[in-house]
Amino acid sequence: EAAVTQSPRNKVAVTGGKVTLSCNQTNNHNNMYWYRQDTGHGLRLIHYSYGAGSTEKGDIPDGYKASRPSQENFSLILELATPSQTSVYFCASGDGVVFFGKGTRLTVV
Amino acid sequence: GQQVQQSPSSLVLQEGENAELQCNFSSTATQLQWFYQSPGGSLVSLLSNPSGTKHTGRLTSTTVTKERRSSLHISSSQTTDSGTYLCAPLNQGGSAKLIFGEGTKLTVSS
Repeated sequence: EAAVTQSPRNKVAVTGGKVTLSCNQTNNHNNMYWYRQDTGHGLRLIHYSYGAGSTEKGDIPDGYKASRPSQENFSLILELATPSQTSVYFCASGDGVVFFGKGTRLTVV
Repeated sequence: GQQVQQSPSSLVLQEGENAELQCNFSSTATQLQWFYQSPGGSLVSLLSNPSGTKHTGRLTSTTVTKERRSSLHISSSQTTDSGTYLCAPLNQGGSAKLIFGEGTKLTVSS
């Protein structure tokens, strides 16, 4: 089965600090995604990518940047973290069937 | 953009009963993927199919892409089926943007 690995799995960050969430897939998928999941909001798309070098805005991109330096890696960057960005973040990859990582629990204090 | 509506939002069953979950979407899709999420867990792909019916175990997915709808039937529910079921339509050959419905929370009691 396709593997998507997220790191870290848990992170506590301070308000105003920079946070980088990493995602790696070894499935040679072109498409990769970053979502956040909050109670009452379901899964919301932050950024996605069609392949190395490409990033596209999803439905809630404000406050987030993304980077796809290679086919395998897709990062989500919070330049100035705020408490409202406390959430569970999921990375996914797939060109038809989509596979998810285990999630990163981010707490911004 | 794509909007996805799932119904019901929650469902409570006795073990052994069947469940029927619905997914409706607003824009063109070439296939529909169903996912399961355990409480506090990640998402696991259950079924992915273009138009038509697909079975795996006690699960049956029926998708009519022309009518922008899909259903997931769970037969003889078990307590371990409890969790949230989400659907996502994908337009292969079009935008890779993948939007999810808010899910159906299923609770199966013994």
